[in-house]
Amino acid sequence: QVQLVESGGGVVQPGRSLRLSCVASGFTFRNHGFHWVRQAPGKGLEWVAVISFDGIDKYYADSVKDRFTVSRDSSRNTVYLQMESLSVHDTAIYYCARDPRIMYKSSWSHFDSWGPGTLVNVSS
Amino acid sequence: SSELTQPPSLSVSPGQTASIPCSGDQLGDKYVSWYQQKTGQSPVLVIYQDTKRPSGIPERFSGSNSGNTATLTISGTQSLDEADYFCQAWDSISSCVFGSGTKVTVL
Repeated sequence: QVQLVESGGGVVQPGRSLRLSCVASGFTFRNHGFHWVRQAPGKGLEWVAVISFDGIDKYYADSVKDRFTVSRDSSRNTVYLQMESLSVHDTAIYYCARDPRIMYKSSWSHFDSWGPGTLVNVSS
Repeated sequence: SSELTQPPSLSVSPGQTASIPCSGDQLGDKYVSWYQQKTGQSPVLVIYQDTKRPSGIPERFSGSNSGNTATLTISGTQSLDEADYFCQAWDSISSCVFGSGTKVTVL
């Protein structure tokens, strides 16, 4: 079955960096795009970034543009989110989610599978 | 980017119908998805492309979208349907928006 597992979260000081990982299993990794979605404590969902199935197309929310970078490694079935210049406003649970369309990147669809999330706490 | 507006909360009696609206400018021109999130858990897709149900989602969940409002309907609501529900749509290839969420209480 489809499984996504995030890791790499933790407590980090403002201004520092952190890299999150999302390991996928149960399906053909290279066929799908992946999204990162975050949720601040007690708040709603916020889309963060997406990477296409081939790793060529990447898009970011304005709130993280120029600070976050999404990438993927098909040899490891893993998607990454490199986060720089973190601020307290980045404190959230970060979820990895799969785009269900196969080898398609002209538009995005829904998020059909989600990981359990990893908590990033930016605090001094 | 545009905004999607949902009521913060909604109460429904067991067995009754819950209708959760999601409003946005010309929302009917976009595909809307809905996610259920129970306390301490990850979101779960319950409706996609306005009206489609993923495998494993009960038939009591249905969706519609027209004009400026999309609606998630839960028929014969059960206590296990208590959760937060979020609508979601794409403004463009680089802009995704979620509704603020509706907390459904079954009592």
